[in-house]
Amino acid sequence: ETGVTQTPRHLVMGMTNKKSLKCEQHLGHNAMYWYKQSAKKPLELMFVYNFKEQTENNSVPSRFSPECPNSSHLFLHLHTLQPEDSALYLCASSPPRTGLNTEAFFGQGTRLTVV
Amino acid sequence: AQTVTQSQPEMSVQEAETVTLSCTYDTSESNYYLFWYKQPPSRQMILVIRQEAYKQQNATENRFSVNFQKAAKSFSLKISDSQLGDTAMYFCAFMRTQGGSEKLVFGKGTKLTVNP
Repeated sequence: ETGVTQTPRHLVMGMTNKKSLKCEQHLGHNAMYWYKQSAKKPLELMFVYNFKEQTENNSVPSRFSPECPNSSHLFLHLHTLQPEDSALYLCASSPPRTGLNTEAFFGQGTRLTVV
Repeated sequence: AQTVTQSQPEMSVQEAETVTLSCTYDTSESNYYLFWYKQPPSRQMILVIRQEAYKQQNATENRFSVNFQKAAKSFSLKISDSQLGDTAMYFCAFMRTQGGSEKLVFGKGTKLTVNP
């Protein structure tokens, strides 16, 4: 248990559906991340938020829409996805980089299948 | 831009033996963090070991140790007395200490199998 919780663990959705992935942490971290992990591909950073402000958008298609209402919660809203968007979506959080114990803590991921 | 390269897609080792996973990176920063993460079949990404670049001493965590060569931009992971539970994907990652956004840049990973 890392302290980062993702829901749901598994999601199957049609290409016309709208769904949301949720991530929460109560570790007091300031930064939260979404990563996409596809089979046989490296981890792809999608978005970074720092104190609720988006600091990185790695050229992610607009069918993925992040939302960070506060430092503890991060959402990824999904709409009109494509089958190639099927992947494991990992959320992570980290404390300020100046800390002695800087590291990213990961959730267990949401396995998304687009049909 | 920072890049992380893991040149060994797959490796295997016999139980109780030692294995070394390679990682090189590219950056113009003088201080940064380097990490090794483990992802077992359960998918949970777990930190194995962390190294801050300004520290010359190599980090160790029980059976896990690193060989950090800053000039060569190399950060290898040595696993001693390998155990079956060490079977997992291992990712090398980089994080800058200041400027820009906090982001971990990952290598492609090395799939390690520990054989009984």
